[in-house]
Amino acid sequence: NAGVTQTPKFQVLKTGQSMTLQCAQDMNHNSMYWYRQDPGMGLRLIYYSASEGTTDKGEVPNGYNVSRLNKREFSLRLESAAPSQTSVYFCASKDIWNTEAFFGQGTRLTVV
Amino acid sequence: QQQVKQSPQSLIVQKGGISIINCAYENTAFDYFPWYQQFPGKGPALLIAIRPDVSEKKEGRFTISFNKSAKQFSLHIMDSQPGDSATYFCAASKATGTASKLTFGTGTRLQVTL
Repeated sequence: NAGVTQTPKFQVLKTGQSMTLQCAQDMNHNSMYWYRQDPGMGLRLIYYSASEGTTDKGEVPNGYNVSRLNKREFSLRLESAAPSQTSVYFCASKDIWNTEAFFGQGTRLTVV
Repeated sequence: QQQVKQSPQSLIVQKGGISIINCAYENTAFDYFPWYQQFPGKGPALLIAIRPDVSEKKEGRFTISFNKSAKQFSLHIMDSQPGDSATYFCAASKATGTASKLTFGTGTRLQVTL
């Protein structure tokens, strides 16, 4: 049972390039989330999808877009990467009726 | 606007000692307070959680103390072990529902020395 799988694990981008971070969960969870983790700032919510077909902004959505492709997959897109988007990105999922959120292993992104 | 404040930022404890991490929240609508543990290179994983209808929850060496009137909660790690060395995040949310999303503290890096 894989849980939450993120790809890629590492990525280096040049300023202005675009990329999509992929996330898939196999736990049949309704809700999925994208967080970024920066030193001294904890995990901050970028976007979330409460259920298939819906997405909403979190605390720090600027510069990002998301797609809830189906119940399993939730992708995060950087259209024009900036150095300020250098971070570790985590995808998480949870069921509506369950309190525990399960996290992926993270994607370490560096924008130069 | 930081809705969950966590302290200290880092903590060094000797093996066998007690580690204490504190958090305070602002939003009185929060009704679920988990602690997550994160090892280097890994995603956070749920360690222990509490709801505000109890003042304390214990699981093995880990205890959450909750003070609803003060809007504070803390994690106590008894008999701390080197394997407990990790980053700990407190969080808060509304427990269930379609709008349920976790708000995290800034994290505490715990180092347990021999």
